[in-house]
Amino acid sequence: DIQMTQSPSTLSASVGDRVTITCRASQTISKWLAWYQQKPGKAPKLLIFDASSLQSGVPSRFRGSGSGTELTLTISSLQPDDFATYFCQQYHSHPYTFGQGTKLEI
Amino acid sequence: EVQLVQSGAEVKKPGESLRISCKGSGYSFTTYWISWVRQMPEKGLEWMGRIDPGNSYTSYSPSFQGHVTISGDKSITTAYLQWSSLKASDTAMYYCARGHCRGGSCYFDDWGQGTLVTVSS
Repeated sequence: DIQMTQSPSTLSASVGDRVTITCRASQTISKWLAWYQQKPGKAPKLLIFDASSLQSGVPSRFRGSGSGTELTLTISSLQPDDFATYFCQQYHSHPYTFGQGTKLEI
Repeated sequence: EVQLVQSGAEVKKPGESLRISCKGSGYSFTTYWISWVRQMPEKGLEWMGRIDPGNSYTSYSPSFQGHVTISGDKSITTAYLQWSSLKASDTAMYYCARGHCRGGSCYFDDWGQGTLVTVSS
């Protein structure tokens, strides 16, 4: 299985900050990575697919980049609604695997 | 509007069987694979397996193969996840998710609301 390691596990930030979350894969996954946002008691929500493509309806302050084994999610100018947990998911090969999550907190 | 509506929370005893459901609407149900994803309490996400609703072809993560069964009924646009003998370690939230797939590689663009399964004696 491809192991996905997210860092940091917890990130403290303030409204207006720019933050970056990194996902490292145990082997190359090319661009086959998605990012999800999950709020407490809710299902995950797709933000980014194919490493850098913004899902319809997602604000442009979310940006994905990278390929291969190191990919990142950047949120520019944090908004109050952005404080949540973020997961990456590789779909390069079966079984699909997720990172352990990054909790973004104030 | 795409919707995946899951069945309600369940409380079961170890050894009991269970089937939970996921009903899709607002799109062509047979066009998109449905996956099941487990989230144990305060933990991350684990992909369990998927079904092609068009032909009922399934594939599983090795971690879940043999422990659960995924099935579907396209006539009622519903996918299922079932256990024949639950264990306490099956206690978790289970999500169904619509796979946006290309050549078998899928990300998940719509999710059900989740079904909480609690297994306790």
